[in-house]
Amino acid sequence: NAGVTQTPKFQVLKTGQSMTLQCAQDMNHNSMYWYRQDPGMGLRLIYYSASEGTTDKGEVPNGYNVSRLNKREFSLRLESAAPSQTSVYFCASSSGTSEDNEQFFGPGTRLTVL
Amino acid sequence: GEDVEQSLFLSVREGDSSVINCTYTDSSSTYLYWYKQEPGAGLQLLTYIFSNMDMKQDQRLTVLLNKKDKHLSLRIADTQTGDSAIYFCAESKYGGSQGNLIFGKGTKLSVKP
Repeated sequence: NAGVTQTPKFQVLKTGQSMTLQCAQDMNHNSMYWYRQDPGMGLRLIYYSASEGTTDKGEVPNGYNVSRLNKREFSLRLESAAPSQTSVYFCASSSGTSEDNEQFFGPGTRLTVL
Repeated sequence: GEDVEQSLFLSVREGDSSVINCTYTDSSSTYLYWYKQEPGAGLQLLTYIFSNMDMKQDQRLTVLLNKKDKHLSLRIADTQTGDSAIYFCAESKYGGSQGNLIFGKGTKLSVKP
């Protein structure tokens, strides 16, 4: 099992460009999440999908959209990138049924917006 | 409101014990977690504790929970250089599909040989 995979690993964008970050999991998990990690800020939830077909806003959703394409895949789109979106983005998944709600994280995408 | 606080840095010598502390504000949290992040990697769950427990031990790791003070700690015995990482405390009100986590800012543990 690969667990949670993310592509790309690194990306540099110019202000105003758009891009989609891809995430996939092979653990048959119901719930998936997108976080951003900034120095001194910890992880902040952008969007999550409790189950296939549903998505909800997290703490910092502005400037982002998500698509739960199927049970395996959850993508994050930046329509018009801004320098404030320079960050490391992590995708995570959890079974959505287990009591302990362990979340499994991907390796991250380092995004720089110039 | 929900907020999780941790000190940002901790430095210990190899072989000593490390204690990383965390405070949280939401008394209705049901699960509390410790995640580890190694450089350039994602987070990995180390251990978790259910809110009706006071202590949980797992090999070199001991988690203590003081619900009255909303204080959580992670003790690493016989700390090794491989334990150098950022440690995140997190809380969750719910399990299952409603289990969004609130993370602290992370404590960077440096282990000196």
